[in-house]
Amino acid sequence: QAQLVQSGAAVQKPGASVKISCEAFGYTFVGYTIHWVRQAPGQSLEWMAWLNAGNGNIKYSEKFQDRITLSRDASASTAYMEVRGLRSEDTAVYYCAREVPIDYVWGTNRFLDDALDLWGQGTVVVVSS
Amino acid sequence: DIEMTQSPSSLSASVGDRVTISCRASQTIARYLNWYQQKPGEAPKLLIYAASNLQSEVPSRFSGSGSGTDFTLTISSLHPDDFATYHCQQSYSAPPTFGQGTKVEIK
Repeated sequence: QAQLVQSGAAVQKPGASVKISCEAFGYTFVGYTIHWVRQAPGQSLEWMAWLNAGNGNIKYSEKFQDRITLSRDASASTAYMEVRGLRSEDTAVYYCAREVPIDYVWGTNRFLDDALDLWGQGTVVVVSS
Repeated sequence: DIEMTQSPSSLSASVGDRVTISCRASQTIARYLNWYQQKPGEAPKLLIYAASNLQSEVPSRFSGSGSGTDFTLTISSLHPDDFATYHCQQSYSAPPTFGQGTKVEIK
């Protein structure tokens, strides 16, 4: 059964860094893209970045591009996200999620789309002095 | 970035009720719209992709419709397990963006 298993909760002081891992089980890790999404307390979901686990291509949200770094270890089927310069506003649950490509026909047209079909359990990061 | 706006932000309903949640995009997104269900303390779960396609093993009481800028998630008969928060997400253009969520509570 496919699953993503994330590293455990972390408590960090302002200005520190945190590195979260996301290990894939039950599917071919390098065949998919991994997204990182966070959710602050009581807030909605906020996309941060994605990493193509096969070719290593990365795209960062403009909001986070100066403070986060994505990486992967294909031999360990694991993706990583490091967040630097932590602030209290970074207190949130951080999720990794697998992107699944979708190829479908609607009417007479063919569409290529994607969705996040498999999510990690989330990693709580608390930033507090 | 494309802004996604859901309405209502929350609603109270009873088991057996028909529930409708709306999602509006700030620009046309064709049918590049996904819906997720999230229960407290859990990760989101994909319900519907490409506006109206039911994800595998999702009950048929869930349905999605719409195209362009206006989309709807419908639960035909609310089950106890359906009390949760529902999020829409556009996959039309980067960055992917989510609505603010609609919390479905027990009346």
